[in-house]
Amino acid sequence: DTAVSQTPKYLVTQMGNDKSIKCEQNLGHDTMYWYKQDSKKFLKIMFSYNNKELIINETVPNRFSPKSPDKAHLNLHINSLELGDSAVYFCASSQLGRGFFGPGTRLTVL
Amino acid sequence: AQKITQTQPGMFVQEKEAVTLDCTYDTSDPSYGLFWYKQPSSGEMIFLIYQGSYDQQNATEGRYSLNFQKARKSANLVISASQLGDSAMYFCAMRESGSSASKIIFGSGTRLSIRP
Repeated sequence: DTAVSQTPKYLVTQMGNDKSIKCEQNLGHDTMYWYKQDSKKFLKIMFSYNNKELIINETVPNRFSPKSPDKAHLNLHINSLELGDSAVYFCASSQLGRGFFGPGTRLTVL
Repeated sequence: AQKITQTQPGMFVQEKEAVTLDCTYDTSDPSYGLFWYKQPSSGEMIFLIYQGSYDQQNATEGRYSLNFQKARKSANLVISASQLGDSAMYFCAMRESGSSASKIIFGSGTRLSIRP
């Protein structure tokens, strides 16, 4: 069984479009995250949610809006996509110890 | 300030040799957790090992062990008997307690290449 799943795996879109990435975890974890991995492989946290509540917003542009309908889901909506948004976006969940990552979504903005 | 430092951008190791990947961290929090992740060329992030700051013994998971030296604030990953499939990026990460409890921060990674 997949622990943390993300859809889609690949996303290619034009500048200015709006897109969403979905994330679901079946581990019963309280905390979920969105990370961005740039072309140099650097992983930077974007958002953290605990029990559907936003805990951390790491100065991410407000074009990025996370939504957590329940503890098991954390979706990421991006408005007015820009070239610099091209990256791999990882969803993750954790509780007390280990953090588990989804397979990543490779976003390419043309 | 950089909280997690991985000083080896890349390493080459002969197959079957042991390899140590360096990681130092900076925190004033007495309670924290340290992680290592592997990212192969396929892109997924694979959890390898976890060490809590209060754990008395070094964590081990199969061929992976974490050499935790608290006073030196280092958490090196040791891979014994390396295999070709160990070639990947390796990330050290830390989670602090308190207000930063909901944030895992990562080092810049080490690209490990295993030579046959």
